[in-house]
Amino acid sequence: GAVVSQHPSRVICKSGTSVKIECRSLDFQATTMFWYRQFPKQSLMLMATSNEGSKATYEQGVEKDKFLINHASLTLSTLTVTSAHPEDSSFYICSAGISGIGEKLFFGSGTQLSVL
Amino acid sequence: DAKTTQPPSMDCAEGRAANLPCNHSTISGNEYVYWYRQIHSQGPQYIIHGLKNNETNEMASLIITEDRKSSTLILPHATLRDTAVYYCIVRANTGNQFYFGTGTSLTVIP
Repeated sequence: GAVVSQHPSRVICKSGTSVKIECRSLDFQATTMFWYRQFPKQSLMLMATSNEGSKATYEQGVEKDKFLINHASLTLSTLTVTSAHPEDSSFYICSAGISGIGEKLFFGSGTQLSVL
Repeated sequence: DAKTTQPPSMDCAEGRAANLPCNHSTISGNEYVYWYRQIHSQGPQYIIHGLKNNETNEMASLIITEDRKSSTLILPHATLRDTAVYYCIVRANTGNQFYFGTGTSLTVIP
C-alpha cells in the first residue's frame, strides 16, 4: 500500500522553542494532507487540513498561529509547533489520501513531542 | 459526516473470529464506511472500506446491513497482534476529512 513517512518519530524540546514535523507521501502525490493530535488514551483529533499551494484549513479551537502548516509540494507537508509549551506535548500524526472510488487515507507513524 | 457508535472494549480468544460492531444510523447515501486500527503509539492502519456491498480483503471482512445503518468488521482468525483500537468512520467523497470517534479497544486473549 501507499506509504506516508513522518519525521522525526520522537522529539524532546525546551519550552519556548519551535519544532517542525515533516510528512511525506513517498509513492504518490497528495494535494491534501491532514494533521491530527492524540493525547494519551484518547482518540485522534483532527487539527487541520493541509492544501498544496494554499492556506491550511484549521478545525475550530486550533490556533493557526501556533500550529503553522506549510504544504509546499505535492509530496510534503510540514507542521511547526511554535513557542512550544508542556501542554503541547502530544502524539502528532499526519495522513494523506489517494483519490479514487472511496478515497483512502494513509497515515504516518506519528511524532511524539515532549516539551520540557 | 455521520457519527458512529462503537462499544468501548471487547475481548476475543486467539484463533476465534472477532466481530466488531458499529452503528451509523445517520449515514447518508454517498458516505462510505471505513475501518482503521491503531496499535499503541503507531499511526492508524487502513483495514477495509465499503459503500453498500459486503467487502473482503486479506485482513478482514466488512458486513454492511441493507439499510446501511450499521456494520460489522470481522477478523476471521484473531491473533495476539490484532490487539488494537479499531475505529469505524463514515465519510463522504474525496477530499472530506476523516473524523475519528472513540473506537473499540480489542484485546485478543491467548
